[in-house]
Amino acid sequence: QQQVKQSPQSLIVQKGGISIINCAYENTAFDYFPWYQQFPGKGPALLIAIRPDVSEKKEGRFTISFNKSAKQFSLHIMDSQPGDSATYFCAASFPGSARQLTFGSGTQLTVLP
Amino acid sequence: EAGVTQSPTHLIKTRGQQATLRCSPISGHTSVYWYQQALGLGLQFLLWYDEGEERNRGNFPPRFSGRQFPNYSSELNVNALELEDSALYLCASSLRPFEAFFGQGTRLTVV
Repeated sequence: QQQVKQSPQSLIVQKGGISIINCAYENTAFDYFPWYQQFPGKGPALLIAIRPDVSEKKEGRFTISFNKSAKQFSLHIMDSQPGDSATYFCAASFPGSARQLTFGSGTQLTVLP
Repeated sequence: EAGVTQSPTHLIKTRGQQATLRCSPISGHTSVYWYQQALGLGLQFLLWYDEGEERNRGNFPPRFSGRQFPNYSSELNVNALELEDSALYLCASSLRPFEAFFGQGTRLTVV
């Protein structure tokens, strides 16, 4: 009930292409859905986040699409660049004071030059 | 503004020993979260401290414990180390509930 399932496990995209990473959740009590980017040897960094009352959020080349009825959300990286090569994690958290994050298993993105 | 800092960067321990990992949150942040990132796995929630109190813990045995000091820094202790405890341990701090900032982690290797 608290799992967040992420796919694909790895993704290879050509420079300039669109990278799409998908996540699905079961527990409808989740109300906050962030995406984190992690480079080797670094901790995860918050990339973009969305609440379930919004169907899409865009920040620069990064867009989250949210489908509440399907309990799915996805990250789209437009015009992917080699510098975007990293591991991406989706996550979710419950409302209230206990704001720990439940993470997906991660997607290793490689953008070829 | 300094980010979340963790020490040590790397730690090698023998099975059965104890490990102590430290975290200094961003100035002004009162909440500290600990996560375990085992190789090939996602991040698993370990512990949450806020205002000096343990507020919640994940599905980990009691030999994983910690504390938060008056200056909001935190310590994670792992007793009776097992080989499967080898992982990257990440600390995150937050002020507002929706934003967690992570440190670079401590790589714990149990041999």
